[in-house]
Amino acid sequence: EVQLVESGGGLVQPGGSLRLSCAASGFTFSNYWMNWVRQAPGKGLEWVASIKQDGSEKYYVASVWGRFTISRDNAKNSLFLQMNNLKVDDAAVYFCARDRGSGSSIVLDYWGQGTLVTVSS
Amino acid sequence: SYVLTQPPSVSLAPGKTARITCGGYNIGRKSVHWYQQKPGQAPMLVIFYDSARPSGIPERFSGSTSGNTATLTISRVEAGDEADYYCQVWDKTESDHVVFGGGTKLTVL
Repeated sequence: EVQLVESGGGLVQPGGSLRLSCAASGFTFSNYWMNWVRQAPGKGLEWVASIKQDGSEKYYVASVWGRFTISRDNAKNSLFLQMNNLKVDDAAVYFCARDRGSGSSIVLDYWGQGTLVTVSS
Repeated sequence: SYVLTQPPSVSLAPGKTARITCGGYNIGRKSVHWYQQKPGQAPMLVIFYDSARPSGIPERFSGSTSGNTATLTISRVEAGDEADYYCQVWDKTESDHVVFGGGTKLTVL
């Protein structure tokens, strides 16, 4: 059974940092693109970042460019999101999601339950 | 940047057919995916590559695209279908980005 379990969320002051983790199991982690998607309270889904199987390609939404870094450790079946210089607008539930693979598009076929990031002074 | 536009809400009675649209420039030339999200839950993929259904998704769910509009159709709507629905594409026109529509709240009266 595919499982994605996020951790690392919490309360942080503006300008602070957090590192989110996503533990993957039930599939060969190193074979899949992985993604972070966030959802502010009461709002819609917003893609944050994607990373290729070997980490050689990374893509980000413009609003986090230069502040967030996506990475992965295939030996530990783990995905990460390092978030620096956090802003109030970054407050959201952050979901880890797997790309289905075998295609020309990103298709998010499995999602974790999310971890809540609160940015407030 | 590429924009996907969805109606904020759709309401209808049980047993009717719901059509949720997703507008985007030349969206018919892109692959469109749809997600269902119920309150307090993670999103769930219901349609991918315009019209394919993941295993476990009822045949009542179908998708299509044409021109500047993609449509998620839910036949014989049930109370359990009440949720938010999001369309999504992978846009490579300017840079590689995942783009979501703003979401549509489906209410079953």
